Amino acid sequence: RKEVEQDPGPFNVPEGATVAFNCTYSNSASQSFFWYRQDCRKEPKLLMSVYSSGNEDGRFTAQLNRASQYISLLIRDSKLSDSATYLCVVNPRGGSNYKLTFGKGTLLTVNP
Amino acid sequence: EPEVTQTPSHQVTQMGQEVILRCVPISNHLYFYWYRQILGQKVEFLVSFYNNEISEKSEIFDDQFSVERPDGSNFTLKIRSTKLEDSAMYFCASSHAGRGGVMGQPQHFGDGTRLSIL
Repeated sequence: RKEVEQDPGPFNVPEGATVAFNCTYSNSASQSFFWYRQDCRKEPKLLMSVYSSGNEDGRFTAQLNRASQYISLLIRDSKLSDSATYLCVVNPRGGSNYKLTFGKGTLLTVNP
Repeated sequence: EPEVTQTPSHQVTQMGQEVILRCVPISNHLYFYWYRQILGQKVEFLVSFYNNEISEKSEIFDDQFSVERPDGSNFTLKIRSTKLEDSAMYFCASSHAGRGGVMGQPQHFGDGTRLSIL
């Protein structure tokens, strides 16, 4: 099983649509979780951290299910500017000095 | 907003040559990282660095690779004898030492150096 596995995509949706990304991770001891976005040939940018109770930031909602080792990201009312690759990222350990394990990403294209 | 800066943006080098990639982390950050992304593949961890020493390295980070913090601001990745398969985007990242607890502090990435080995 891959360390971090995501929907392969790509997703093509119209503006205003709701889209959900799913991710599973293999290491049950993983401590922290993030969603990053990456535009074509650019650096990963932190979108949001994922907390155990779930969290929301504007149009973005992240959920974590530790029992199932599953993370999700929901984007509501999608905008053209949301077009990017969404990366599920896991820290296998806690603390401030940690490596990140990335999924391969899911490409989203929002169409006018 | 403070950012991680990397130079050069693109480096073209002959196979077997040494290359040094440079990074200036965010000024109050204490943890530094290098990652790479081969075209079409996922971002992969190379090495983490704290308190002037390597904290962790991946199996990719073999004897051809080294990191250094030569002064108070720069953080460098050196590849001693480049191979064709070293062609990739190299990202530097840094994070704060703050009280992130089990969550840790988020890592902030530079915009990368595209390394092309001929």
